[in-house]
Amino acid sequence: QMTQSPPSLSASEGDRVTITCRTSQSIGTKLNWYQQKAGEAPKALIFGASSLHSGVPSRFSGSGSGTDFTLTISSLQPEDFATYYCQQTYFDISFGPGTRVDV
Amino acid sequence: EVQLVQSGAEVKKPGESLRISCKVSGYSFTSHWISWVRQVPGKGPEWLGRIDPIDSYINYSPSFQGHVTFSVDKSVSTAYLHLSSLQASDTAVYYCARHRPTAQTGPYYDYWGRGTLVTVSS
Repeated sequence: QMTQSPPSLSASEGDRVTITCRTSQSIGTKLNWYQQKAGEAPKALIFGASSLHSGVPSRFSGSGSGTDFTLTISSLQPEDFATYYCQQTYFDISFGPGTRVDV
Repeated sequence: EVQLVQSGAEVKKPGESLRISCKVSGYSFTSHWISWVRQVPGKGPEWLGRIDPIDSYINYSPSFQGHVTFSVDKSVSTAYLHLSSLQASDTAVYYCARHRPTAQTGPYYDYWGRGTLVTVSS
């Protein structure tokens, strides 16, 4: 089981945003983060809990291991308003329920 | 340029079957696993399973085994998702996604298709 908190949040441009993902069992660092905008496919942001996917801005960062993980956006930009999903690849593959970031 | 191009939207009646295609280009089709993911409108993604195009080895999600089938045609670099006995609850966007393996931290999806909207309605 995967949970994300908060389910949604309101933020402003320039804010620091933190999203948490928790798993019911330890998954090491087999945790990825994706960003999805309305009508689009998800896009990779972070893999292996803390590694930045190619081309992703450095304002995105990930941390954590075991059961608790965090995605941080250091300074929210207009293009970052989206829904964010975590994904674990330790026990088959599954996604978290998502965190919507809006204005 | 890596691309995963999916077939177009479908409207089906309950009980019917469906095949969605995912044609890849820009890389060697047999070098990366393909996963299938579905997303019900307003909900999070759900993993249906994955296939290794080199030998068609498949892992199905226990939640969907028996309801979905995967196949590939290496001659046209295309992966297929077969859905049978469709129900209204199968209404969703279906994505194919390419696995990017990593050394120690498991795979992630570095490229996605645009998705295929499937609507099941009587």
